[in-house]
Amino acid sequence: DAKTTQPNSMESNEEEPVHLPCNHSTISGTDYIHWYRQLPSQGPEYVIHGLTSNVNNRMASLAIAEDRKSSTLILHRATLRDAAVYYCILIYYNTDKLIFGTGTRLQVFP
Amino acid sequence: EPEVTQTPSHQVTQMGQEVILRCVPISNHLYFYWYRQILGQKVEFLVSFYNNEISEKSEIFDDQFSVERPDGSNFTLKIRSTKLEDSAMYFCASRVRSAGTETQYFGPGTRLLVL
Repeated sequence: DAKTTQPNSMESNEEEPVHLPCNHSTISGTDYIHWYRQLPSQGPEYVIHGLTSNVNNRMASLAIAEDRKSSTLILHRATLRDAAVYYCILIYYNTDKLIFGTGTRLQVFP
Repeated sequence: EPEVTQTPSHQVTQMGQEVILRCVPISNHLYFYWYRQILGQKVEFLVSFYNNEISEKSEIFDDQFSVERPDGSNFTLKIRSTKLEDSAMYFCASRVRSAGTETQYFGPGTRLLVL
């Protein structure tokens, strides 16, 4: 499985945008880039995914580098509820399981 | 919005006892999973299940673990003889099909404490 690298932690103030980076230099052409997050004491929760093009949904945006070796999850206006561990996971097109790394712990301050 | 449910939310057991953790996946989903997370550590894949059989399992999923879909709605994880190191949060997940585009939906977890 291709590996991802994320910063251990990041901080943000409420109402500010947050850019969470992920490096995946060994990504293959059929790997999808998924982001999940885990709020305190809860199960992981899907955030967004993409393959090559940038993606937007109601939770976040995903910006994918042209060479696909990195991506950035963008939370446009952080709220206290966005404090969580964010995981960047590569999924081969027919892979069954999710392989979680240590993720980025996002702290949001009022 | 449909969701994955798990029972019980907490379970305390004595070492050597059998435990069964229960999950109700989202109704039209066909692929089912168990993961665990030891306190302060990463979420780890245990097993995937499709068409009434295990499709993949990790090294953690040894002979003391088993999974079953006893009816059309429940998906269970059984630990036959619990060990202290089985203490963890256990998460069930499901998805419609196995594809890179498909989301896994996780339940809230069962916190298992083995004494």
